Order: sequence, then structure tokens, then C-alpha cells
Amino acid sequence: NAGVTQTPKFQVLKTGQSMTLQCAQDMNHNSMYWYRQDPGMGLRLIYYSASEGTTDKGEVPNGYNVSRLNKREFSLRLESAAPSQTSVYFCASRSGGNYNEQFFGPGTRLTVL
Amino acid sequence: TQLLEQSPQFLSIQEGENLTVYCNSSSVFSSLQWYRQEPGEGPVLLVTVVTGGEVKKLKRLTFQFGDARKDSSLHITAAQPGDTGLYLCAGEAGGSYIPTFGRGTSLIVHP
Repeated sequence: NAGVTQTPKFQVLKTGQSMTLQCAQDMNHNSMYWYRQDPGMGLRLIYYSASEGTTDKGEVPNGYNVSRLNKREFSLRLESAAPSQTSVYFCASRSGGNYNEQFFGPGTRLTVL
Repeated sequence: TQLLEQSPQFLSIQEGENLTVYCNSSSVFSSLQWYRQEPGEGPVLLVTVVTGGEVKKLKRLTFQFGDARKDSSLHITAAQPGDTGLYLCAGEAGGSYIPTFGRGTSLIVHP
């Protein structure tokens, strides 16, 4: 099992460009999440999907959109990138047990110039 | 909004020393997770504690959940350079799909 995979690993964009970050999990988890991690700010939730077909805003959703393509895949789209979106982005999935144990991907390091 | 405060924010110690990291909240959590994140990688789950007063051990790491389920600690005995990383705690309120993460404790263990 690969767990949670993310592509790309690194990306540089110019202000105003768009891109989609891809995430897939092979653990048959229902819930998936997108976080951003900035120095001193910890992990902040952008969007999450409790189950296939549903998505909800997290703490910092502005400037982002998501698509839960199927049970395995959850993508994050930046329609018009801004320098404030320079960050490391992590996708995670939640185990099906009673506790919110999350499994993270390796991250995408995004720089917006 | 539930908040988890972690302390200290940074810790730089020598190999062989002991250390404790704290995770505190005014809210009650049904479970609490500890993660370790190494540079350039995603967080990896270390442990989940669910019962007030619970103690779990993972080799040289000891995790404790407070009696009131509002706080937790991580104690590392005889730290090694391989323990270097960012330690994150995360709490879950019952029935929520959304964990609350602390901002992390960055640990450096010097050989």
C-alpha cells in the first residue's frame, strides 16, 4: 500500500496562474482533508470531505476549491494563485475507526512569485 | 473554537537528555493524537490516547492523557538525534470530523 500520495512535490507559480494539487489514498478511507502548513502557524484546514460526494470549508478556504473525484481522490485547485498561498500543502485521510487518526501525504511545496 | 497550546515551541538539547512536551486546552477531547513530522515529510501518527489518566509507552516515548482529558504530555527519555523533528498534538471532540492541531514543538537533538 502506498498510503496517501500527492503530486507534484514541488511547484513554482506566477501570480495569477492556476494549478491543481492531486491527492489519492489507497486505504479505503471515507474522509479526506487538505491542510496548509506555514512557519509558526501549524496545520490549518483548508477543506475536507467527510465522505465521497461531500465537501466542506475548513478554517482557511478562501482562494481554493476542491473536488472529491471518487473515494480515492481529493484534489485542491488554486484558480488564481497569490503570493499569500506560498506554503506547504498536505493531504490527509482519516481512518475508519472511532478516533480521528489521520494519515498524511508527503506534501507539496508551493511557491507563488 | 477549540485551541490546543503546545509548549515549549522550540527545544534544543544534547543526546541523552530527557525532555517533556506539553499540550494544553480548556476544552475536553474524546481522544488526542501525537504526531512526529520530519523535515520535508508529512506528519506520522505516533499514538492515540482516549481515557483520562491513560499512559502509553512507545520505546523511549511516554504519552499521558490528563485526568480531565484537556491536556496531554509527551516525555522522551535519553533523547537521540533520530528523535529530531516537529511534534504535533491533535485533539478530537466527540463526533467531529475535524481535528484541532497544536502549533507543534520543534525538537533538535544534538549528537
